[in-house]
Formats: sequence, structure tokens, C-alpha cells
Amino acid sequence: NAGVTQTPKFQVLKTGQSMTLQCAQDMNHNSMYWYRQDPGMGLRLIYYSASEGTTDKGEVPNGYNVSRLNKREFSLRLESAAPSQTSVYFCASSPRRGSGELFFGEGSRLTVL
Amino acid sequence: SQKIEQNSEALNIQEGKTATLTCNYTNYSPAYLQWYRQDPGRGPVFLLLIRENEKEKRKERLKVTFDTTLKQSLFHITASQPADSATYLCALSPSNNNDMRFGAGTRLTVKP
Repeated sequence: NAGVTQTPKFQVLKTGQSMTLQCAQDMNHNSMYWYRQDPGMGLRLIYYSASEGTTDKGEVPNGYNVSRLNKREFSLRLESAAPSQTSVYFCASSPRRGSGELFFGEGSRLTVL
Repeated sequence: SQKIEQNSEALNIQEGKTATLTCNYTNYSPAYLQWYRQDPGRGPVFLLLIRENEKEKRKERLKVTFDTTLKQSLFHITASQPADSATYLCALSPSNNNDMRFGAGTRLTVKP
């Protein structure tokens, strides 16, 4: 019963470095999401994918790219990390568009120095 | 611009009382409204979903109301327990896509 698995759990980067956050779900869900969570600001949607092969921008997409590799996996890439991207990142999946509940991973804490 | 506001950052209540949390939204017409619980260092966990044409939903000690005229949802926890202490998030989504947006959350502390 893994659910949504995110890796890595912790990462420290220097400004300008790149990295990819990995997310996989084993619930056969169509929709997947990436959020970031900052103190006092709640969860903000970065990108989402309604189905394999499609991705859409959310509220704060700048500085990020995503890939829906297959139905199970949805990765988030920071090409040139900036201190403003220091945050906790959550991946989530959902069985249905709009009305589906989200199942979240445990989060990836990223610090950019 | 769209805005989702939860009434306060923190709410402290005594064990056994009813906790009431508020979620207000502006410039938004959600078809669905959801409530999640988040414990420190963990991902949010789904609690309840209510549709725009529903006034109220209950699950055990939880009750959610949804007033599309007031643009407000109320989330109640009756007979609260210290184990209910957590941050509670509301989330809104339109009917036809996946663009689900969250409020900043209310941190509830239930004191014994």
C-alpha cells in the first residue's frame, strides 16, 4: 500500500543547480499534481496532469517543468534553482477530475542556498 | 483575482467543545469544496467533499456546510479531542478540470 511516493525527501541545492523531484503512484489514478507549500501561504498548485501525455500550468509554474512519463509517474524539474524555490513540495494523485479527492505524498523539503 | 481565505491561522478550544472553521472565497465558482487534515511534517489527508448543490455533509463527528450565496464553507468537529489537533485546509475545484486550489489552513489545538 505505497500510495504516492516522492523522492528525495530532503535536498539542499546551490543557486543555479538543477534537480528533478520524482513522484510515483500505484493507485492507477489518471490525474497527478505538484504543489508547493510555504508558511502562511498554503498549498499552491505548480502543474497538474489530467492524464498521461497532458500537462497544464497551475498558479505558480514559473521556474519549473514537468513530465508525465507514464500513468504512474509525474516528475518536477528545477532547471536553475533559486532561493525563492526553497519550499516543501507535495505530489498528489486523484482518480477523477474536479470531484476526486487528492492523495498526497509525504513531501520533499528543498532548500536552495 | 481568486482568493481563498480561512478564518484564522490558529484556533484553540477545550476538549469536548465544537470546533468551527471557516473557508471564504472570492472571484471563484467552485463545483466542489473539500476539507483536508494535515499533521506536522506529513502530507494532507482528505476528510470530506461537498458539491455546490449540497448544503451539508456529515461524517462521524465532522460536518461541512457549503453556502454558494455567501461564498463560504463551515467545517465543524463536534466533541473535539486532543487527537483532532492539526491544520485543516479547504480546497476548491471547478467541475471540468483539475485546477484545485487550497486555502492557507487553520491550525486547531484542542486542549485537554
